[in-house]
Amino acid sequence: KAGVTQTPRYLIKTRGQQVTLSCSPISGHRSVSWYQQTPGQGLQFLFEYFSETQRNKGNFPGRFSGRQFSNSRSEMNVSTLELGDSALYLCASSSGTLAAGSETQYFGPGTRLLVL
Amino acid sequence: KQEVTQIPAALSVPEGENLVLNCSFTDSAIYNLQWFRQDPGKGLTSLLLIQSSQREQTSGRLNASLDKSSGRSTLYIAASQPGDSATYLCAVLAGGTSYGKLTFGQGTILTVHP
Repeated sequence: KAGVTQTPRYLIKTRGQQVTLSCSPISGHRSVSWYQQTPGQGLQFLFEYFSETQRNKGNFPGRFSGRQFSNSRSEMNVSTLELGDSALYLCASSSGTLAAGSETQYFGPGTRLLVL
Repeated sequence: KQEVTQIPAALSVPEGENLVLNCSFTDSAIYNLQWFRQDPGKGLTSLLLIQSSQREQTSGRLNASLDKSSGRSTLYIAASQPGDSATYLCAVLAGGTSYGKLTFGQGTILTVHP
């Protein structure tokens, strides 16, 4: 069974630009969560999607948005990039239908974004 | 607001030692606690998941315990090997409508030297 894939793996952008990152979950998984990882703040939750609906959202500005397609693939978009958006962006997938306590999230390799 | 703390921040041990990593959380209303491993520049690999009703889980040389009432978990690694060198993260899934939202500690950087 293929794991979670993320594209692109590396990205360099300049301030003010926008960027779109993609995540393909494990086949059969319908929940996709996104996280931002930085040396200073560690891993922080961005949002979670299940069956094309955002069910949960972290404490990030509106420049960060996401969506999920009918095949469960998810994208996140960051508009008007700032230097502080430089980070490793990770997505994780799970079935989203088991009892919450019993379900592991499986993480992708991440997209490393550098904003200059 | 759930907060997760990991101690120590870094640990260096010789090969073969048994070691314990600690994790504490402030809100005991959790669904589960998970331990992950992260190699430099890579994603997270799930090691163990302990449901809130469980006290411990074991996988090979790894054993994780959970004391929900005191807000603590430990990850025990037996007979450490250089290949165990990585950052170890614990994360809790809070109760209620916390769909997909894991709250992570800052991690313990483990170095096992030959």
